[in-house]
Amino acid sequence: DAKTTQPNSMESNEEEPVHLPCNHSTISGTDYIHWYRQLPSQGPEYVIHGLTSNVNNRMASLAIAEDRKSSTLILHRATLRDAAVYYCILLSQGGSEKLVFGKGTKLTVNP
Amino acid sequence: DAMVIQNPRYQVTQFGKPVTLSCSQTLNHNVMYWYQQKSSQAPKLLFHYYDKDFNNEADTPDNFQSRRPNTSFCFLDIRSPGLGDAAMYLCATSRDLYSAYEQYFGPGTRLTVT
Repeated sequence: DAKTTQPNSMESNEEEPVHLPCNHSTISGTDYIHWYRQLPSQGPEYVIHGLTSNVNNRMASLAIAEDRKSSTLILHRATLRDAAVYYCILLSQGGSEKLVFGKGTKLTVNP
Repeated sequence: DAMVIQNPRYQVTQFGKPVTLSCSQTLNHNVMYWYQQKSSQAPKLLFHYYDKDFNNEADTPDNFQSRRPNTSFCFLDIRSPGLGDAAMYLCATSRDLYSAYEQYFGPGTRLTVT
């Protein structure tokens, strides 16, 4: 099974950019990279996903390394509301795989 | 507008007393999932329904069952709750099973077993 490695925790200051790394050295060519986050006392929330090219949406950007062995979730301007646990998950393209959550990165945003 | 609704948000039950948690969705999605999340742990999938087809994860205890009477509703039944079943139970939906589709989660029901 392809797996991901994320730092246990990171800190950021409000209104500054945040770069959350994820290593997935055993990724296969058909694996999508998904990011979810879970705010305190809430259910997880989809953030973004991508395959090869960098992706942008209203919440974040996803930068994928050329060899696809790592990726970075970018929050362009952190707010206190972005304090959450961020999960990086691999899912096979076209497969019926389910989300398997790892430990994720706990992001603290300082005012 | 709530898309995945879970009731109740907090549930207290007694050891061994059956309990049912409910989930409803307004997205008309084909797939509904139930996850268990214990304190300080990541969510863990228990089972899912693809339309009316039930799919149980291999390590989900027999004590946990589910029903999906129609597209909008799904129930989690715990036949004889033990102290170890105290957790947050999360319902989620997705349009289809394939990896391109994101999942939408409800706020969860926190179950306490006394």
